[in-house]
Formats: sequence, structure tokens, C-alpha cells
Amino acid sequence: GQQLNQSPQSMFIQEGEDVSMNCTSSSIFNTWLWYKQDPGEGPVLLIALYKAGELTSNGRLTAQFGITRKDSFLNISASIPSDVGIYFCAGLNTGTASKLTFGTGTRLQVTL
Amino acid sequence: DADVTQTPRNRITKTGKRIMLECSQTKGHDRMYWYRQDPGLGLRLIYYSFDVKDINKGEISDGYSVSRQAQAKFSLSLESAIPNQTALYFCATAVAGSTDTQYFGPGTRLTVL
Repeated sequence: GQQLNQSPQSMFIQEGEDVSMNCTSSSIFNTWLWYKQDPGEGPVLLIALYKAGELTSNGRLTAQFGITRKDSFLNISASIPSDVGIYFCAGLNTGTASKLTFGTGTRLQVTL
Repeated sequence: DADVTQTPRNRITKTGKRIMLECSQTKGHDRMYWYRQDPGLGLRLIYYSFDVKDINKGEISDGYSVSRQAQAKFSLSLESAIPNQTALYFCATAVAGSTDTQYFGPGTRLTVL
């Protein structure tokens, strides 16, 4: 089955730095989602994007739905220690039994 | 109390054993899902159910079976566990028509020796 490619796979950053990660697909989606997974927990939805070109924010997080509908980007500004975790993108096409296709994940680790 | 619960949280078993992982939800959602997470591969869909009488295979259903005993309960079984089924398993729920918002349980870490 298809999986979405995320980059980078992992990153170490210093507290206060901005973070960027992206997700690419070989096929288009009409909904893009970003989830965060804390250690020992299940993923939690951060941001949902429904329209090509859409830019949506949730606090320090900003995500964009790529114009081609084959990619999405997530930015975290002024990172803090609780940003540690794994970030997953997911694509969804409504009507195809509404199944999510997840990315491979970006592991974020913050150094003080 | 958690809205989506999974039991057990951790399980170690031997090759060939039958294992059942259970998921319960108090959210009143129609849709329930089982995913498997492996390092570097993200989450992959095993089975999903849109209501008690509707069960569907996901992308990696071989070696697994499920049972939707009630709207609130969705169990995953490994009839004869093998080592490459060692993984983290997640249950998720969603409201019909709002599948973009899936609520995940805390996960079950399964090790097959």
C-alpha cells in the first residue's frame, strides 16, 4: 500500500528554534492532516487542511496544503521541550471509504 | 477516564499462540479502526468497521482477524502469532462523516518471541 514520505526522518533542534517538515505523495489527496504522537501515547490530531493552497495555524503550529495536492508542510515556531514527539502527516480522499494514509513520521527532539 | 481504551497495554507471547487485543470506546462513534505501527513505517491500517455489521480489510490484514462485538468494542486477533507481528497496535474511532478526525487509543505493545 502507499505510504507518504516525510522529511526529515528525525531532527534535533535547540529550544526556541523554528522547525519545518514536509510530506509528499505520489498521488493527490483532498484532505491533509497532521498528527503528533507523544511517547507512550496514540497520535493526536493537530491540524486539518481541506483546500489546496490553504494555510492554517494552531498556536505555534502552521500547516499548508500544497498547491499540487501532493504535499503538505508543517512549521513549528519557537520550539519548546514539550514539542518532542513524532509528527505524522496523513492524506485522505473522502469517498474512498475514508481511509487515512499515513506518512512515515518525523521524530522531533529538542535540546535545551 | 480515557475515551478510547486498549487492553492489554503490553503483551509478550510466543510464536504460534493466539492473541486478542481489545479496544473499547465511550465516544459513541460508529467507526473503529485497527492500525499497526512499526519504526520508520508510520501507521498502517489492518481492519476497519463502520458499524457492527460492517467489517472491512485494510492494507495489511493477512494474519489478523477482527470482531465488532458492539458499537463500543472492536477486537483484533492474531490466530497464530509470528515474530514479524511484533509491533505497536493502535485502535482509533471516528464519527461517520468526520473520518478526518480519528481519536486514537494509547496503544498495545505486542512482542512475539
